[in-house]
Amino acid sequence: GENVEQHPSTLSVQEGDSAVIKCTYSDSASNYFPWYKQELGKRPQLIIDIRSNVGEKKDQRIAVTLNKTAKHFSLHITETQPEDSAVYFCAANSGGSNYKLTFGKGTLLTVNP
Amino acid sequence: GAVVSQHPSRVICKSGTSVKIECRSLDFQATTMFWYRQFPKQSLMLMATSNEGSKATYEQGVEKDKFLINHASLTLSTLTVTSAHPEDSSFYICSAGQDLNSPLHFGNGTRLTVT
Repeated sequence: GENVEQHPSTLSVQEGDSAVIKCTYSDSASNYFPWYKQELGKRPQLIIDIRSNVGEKKDQRIAVTLNKTAKHFSLHITETQPEDSAVYFCAANSGGSNYKLTFGKGTLLTVNP
Repeated sequence: GAVVSQHPSRVICKSGTSVKIECRSLDFQATTMFWYRQFPKQSLMLMATSNEGSKATYEQGVEKDKFLINHASLTLSTLTVTSAHPEDSSFYICSAGQDLNSPLHFGNGTRLTVT
């Protein structure tokens, strides 16, 4: 089955700096890669996703890049703010649909004011 | 759109009792829903895939007789933790998408504590 590795497990940055979280996946058939943000005790919230037919997608301060050949994808957050502090999970699908997701272990991002 | 509601948000029960958790898609129909479990400071682990009108598909290592799933309608899936034990204490979250090409959205989760 799919295996998703995520690094780093913790990341601390100063407000205004950029943050980058990287993930690798094992299943070459995966074609959908969402990123979720989870605040303590709350549900994961989808923040951005990318499909394998594009290499990059951007939404304001958040961007995701995908290298399908190398089987890795990354989340980039620019101009970080304290409210960006949360746990971020990457995921990859299997089974040909968005539905069955395998998640990375998560990255605890702390943005220091 | 694509709102997924989960109830209850918190439940405390005694060992040996059963607990039912409901997951509803509020503004769309979901033929497939997913149940995840999340232990403190850990990732989301898929437990099972809930299929409307048919049996659920369980991931390896998840006991189907302990975690009963019923997906009786296109907007409701239930997870029943039977004969709960303290080690079943966890955060249970369901998810669903509008269709095979739509993102998955998560319910608000259920914090289960078994005493």
